Amino acid sequence: KQEVTQIPAALSVPEGENLVLNCSFTDSAIYNLQWFRQDPGKGLTSLLLIQSSQREQTSGRLNASLDKSSGRSTLYIAASQPGDSATYLCAVRRAGGYNKLIFGAGTRLAVHP
Amino acid sequence: NAGVMQNPRHLVRRRGQEARLRCSPMKGHSHVYWYRQLPEEGLKFMVYLQKENIIDESGMPKERFSAEFPKEGPSILRIQQVVRGDSAAYFCASSPRGLEGGIETQYFGPGTRLLVL
Repeated sequence: KQEVTQIPAALSVPEGENLVLNCSFTDSAIYNLQWFRQDPGKGLTSLLLIQSSQREQTSGRLNASLDKSSGRSTLYIAASQPGDSATYLCAVRRAGGYNKLIFGAGTRLAVHP
Repeated sequence: NAGVMQNPRHLVRRRGQEARLRCSPMKGHSHVYWYRQLPEEGLKFMVYLQKENIIDESGMPKERFSAEFPKEGPSILRIQQVVRGDSAAYFCASSPRGLEGGIETQYFGPGTRLLVL
């Protein structure tokens, strides 16, 4: 059974710091991995999607890496800003399965000025 | 093109009542997924539907919960005889195709927050 774990559960940093959020999964047979952002009371916004054959994806100040064999992904946020404050969720799709996502519990990020 | 729409956004029910949550997928999307998020937890998959078909309901509780996606109209998640433990945020997502189409991002709605008193 696939389990997804995110560390740390919460993080509070001053503005301008570079951050690393961690995600691990127990079954390496994944189709892809996706990072989402969730703002309080809102839905989910997709940030980055990494196919199982890829090592990393970049979008602006965000960079996500994937090491499928070790069951790990990291989300790197450069030069953090208060507007980055949100909960970041990692989710995987199982290889050969239906298009359903298995989520971690998330990392709550607070960036203070 | 409007995004995924869910209503109501907030729903309050007393124990024993029924809750009906509606999800209208994005235009052109025929695949709908329901997820539940308990407080301080990640989202948990509940059910995956195509028009008039339940494809995967492995995450649905065995009793009191049901889902449908009729040929016309929104997808409905129905919870009968609600209990306090059903209090959660329920999210709907849609995609134009299933996994067979390749990379298929799911687009999420804003969620329905259910509170059972």
